[in-house]
Amino acid sequence: DGGITQSPKYLFRKEGQNVTLSCEQNLNHDAMYWYRQDPGQGLRLIYYSQIVNDFQKGDIAEGYSVSREKKESFPLTVTSAQKNPTAFYLCASKMGPFYGYTFGSGTRLTVV
Amino acid sequence: AQKVTQAQTEISVVEKEDVTLDCVYETRDTTYYLFWYKQPPSGELVFLIRRNSFDEQNEISGRYSWNFQKSTSSFNFTITASQVVDSAVYFCALRKTGGGADGLTFGKGTHLIIQP
Repeated sequence: DGGITQSPKYLFRKEGQNVTLSCEQNLNHDAMYWYRQDPGQGLRLIYYSQIVNDFQKGDIAEGYSVSREKKESFPLTVTSAQKNPTAFYLCASKMGPFYGYTFGSGTRLTVV
Repeated sequence: AQKVTQAQTEISVVEKEDVTLDCVYETRDTTYYLFWYKQPPSGELVFLIRRNSFDEQNEISGRYSWNFQKSTSSFNFTITASQVVDSAVYFCALRKTGGGADGLTFGKGTHLIIQP
């Protein structure tokens, strides 16, 4: 079945370390997105990519970096510059501008 | 700037009751898309509906119905005869537009609890 795979489901890191969250899709979707969710909050857009080798900052890009070298993959790196990295991270994709968004099952990152 | 407000933080009802989740949005665009998503305890977001601003017809899908009113900038979601499996967090969202922007602006969500 087609879908979005985020791994791992739970991730623990020590403060000051960079960590990369994986997002892979086999839906042949052009656009991919990263969102952050904090308890009791809605999702906030971190980065998005509408085509390979191109990406744009979202609302809360500081302390994060991304790459889009392949259509299927959109990894997110949480750097040590991100002051409050502990959160639930969701990846999404979309075929084109007039389609809906498909979400992965998320990665819960805890930084201690 | 765009904004989505879900004023109800948490709603608790007994099974089989009807329940309405409110969503109010702000946008300067004349063409826009609104969404509802369900987030069960497992965490993934499940797509429920997408509505184009040109289409003001209310929509019904089984026990779910949506009331879109441009005059009041609202896109409310009603579950009829609620079931325990409906328990989840529900998000209303507005597609970002303008200046090449993409992605969704989400409300903070309404936690719906259906008690048996």
